Amino acid sequence: KAGVTQTPRYLIKTRGQQVTLSCSPISGHRSVSWYQQTPGQGLQFLFEYFSETQRNKGNFPGRFSGRQFSNSRSEMNVSTLELGDSALYLCASSLDPADYGYTFGSGTRLTVV
Amino acid sequence: AQSVSQHNHHVILSEAASLELGCNYSYGGTVNLFWYVQYPGQHLQLLLKYFSGDPLVKGIKGFEAEFIKSKFSFNLRKPSVQWSDTAEYFCAVSAQTGANNLFFGTGTRLTVIP
Repeated sequence: KAGVTQTPRYLIKTRGQQVTLSCSPISGHRSVSWYQQTPGQGLQFLFEYFSETQRNKGNFPGRFSGRQFSNSRSEMNVSTLELGDSALYLCASSLDPADYGYTFGSGTRLTVV
Repeated sequence: AQSVSQHNHHVILSEAASLELGCNYSYGGTVNLFWYVQYPGQHLQLLLKYFSGDPLVKGIKGFEAEFIKSKFSFNLRKPSVQWSDTAEYFCAVSAQTGANNLFFGTGTRLTVIP
């Protein structure tokens, strides 16, 4: 079966712009989580969605937001981009929040210039 | 707050050497423990996980990990590494109740020399 699909793979944006990243989970998976990976901070949790509801949120500013659609696809948005937002953004899906069998996508590499 | 420490930043081994990567966590409650691997240019993959029961967990590709509750540790081991094990290894922890997001360690880069 198809894995977790993230689009686009690469993005270059300018400071102050906004960006939207997309994640399509594995078919049948209804829980989607987002993580930010940087060389300095490592992997940090952004938020988790299940059944179109945000269940949990990490310690990121309000510029970072997300949503989940009825088909479980998820998007995350970052507004007013800063240089420090440059990172690999990873999406992970699982059947539901009680299932810890997270499968990660390949990520979207965002570069802010 | 939960935290995970991986003390080895970069480990270099020759093929056939034994591997042990350290992982310690800090959390007051009951946790689930994971090891993920990220091969060059690939996505994070689950190597093994521990929820409860036998503290010695066997994963894919010959890896195993032992949960030692008294030491808050979950070290990863492999008796004989191969060049193809060259990758970055991440230890992660999540709470068993409440918010179940993963807290990751900073990772250990393993280089295996043929």
